Amino acid sequence: GAGVSQSPSNKVTEKGKDVELRCDPISGHTALYWYRQSLGQGLEFLIYFQGNSAPDKSGLPSDRFSAERTGGSVSTLTIQRTQQEDSAVYLCASSSDSGLAAYNEQFFGPGTRLTVL
Amino acid sequence: ELKVEQNPLFLSMQEGKNYTIYCNYSTTSDRLYWYRQDPGKSLESLFVLLSNGAVKQEGRLMASLDTKARLSTLHITAAVHDLSATYFCAVDEYGNKLVFGAGTILRVKS
Repeated sequence: GAGVSQSPSNKVTEKGKDVELRCDPISGHTALYWYRQSLGQGLEFLIYFQGNSAPDKSGLPSDRFSAERTGGSVSTLTIQRTQQEDSAVYLCASSSDSGLAAYNEQFFGPGTRLTVL
Repeated sequence: ELKVEQNPLFLSMQEGKNYTIYCNYSTTSDRLYWYRQDPGKSLESLFVLLSNGAVKQEGRLMASLDTKARLSTLHITAAVHDLSATYFCAVDEYGNKLVFGAGTILRVKS
């Protein structure tokens, strides 16, 4: 597609439920990133994929959070047993390459606003 | 741990005036990005600065990078209402993630 797409745009869930957030990167982009934006914490990195592997998961806040990427394209971020502090906007970004020698401009999707009641 | 600090965090400007947003970061990096975010919207890429002394300009916005001082500036010339938004700087850490500043909320008043 023309840009990064994310679904759903809004998700309201009850505490303790599991949620899945989807990201469809720009076609051909090998690198994919998840970030979280909340009032208290600003913009935080969660996880980075290069192809289907995730060399950096250092930003995932707990083992309730997991992500996968299949076919070098679509990624899903799963949050299990959601808590109220998980409420935030989850942003996905993609870039055409990654690495120290690369130009790493990241293009962001519209985000998924998650509200945990 | 890389830290990125922006200031000011809030900027109320009169139309037609000039101002500068500052972005300091704590480790050596020569890749810095500026993004704009409108309320309820995602991040729009404004500038990519890839080397010491890099300067980029687009309309009323000009960004520069001094890697020795670990400082980037975003200069706004003759502000107009359309520039009201939140501006973020971000530093590329190890080529695989961005570390963002807290953002500067810019409001341009008539």
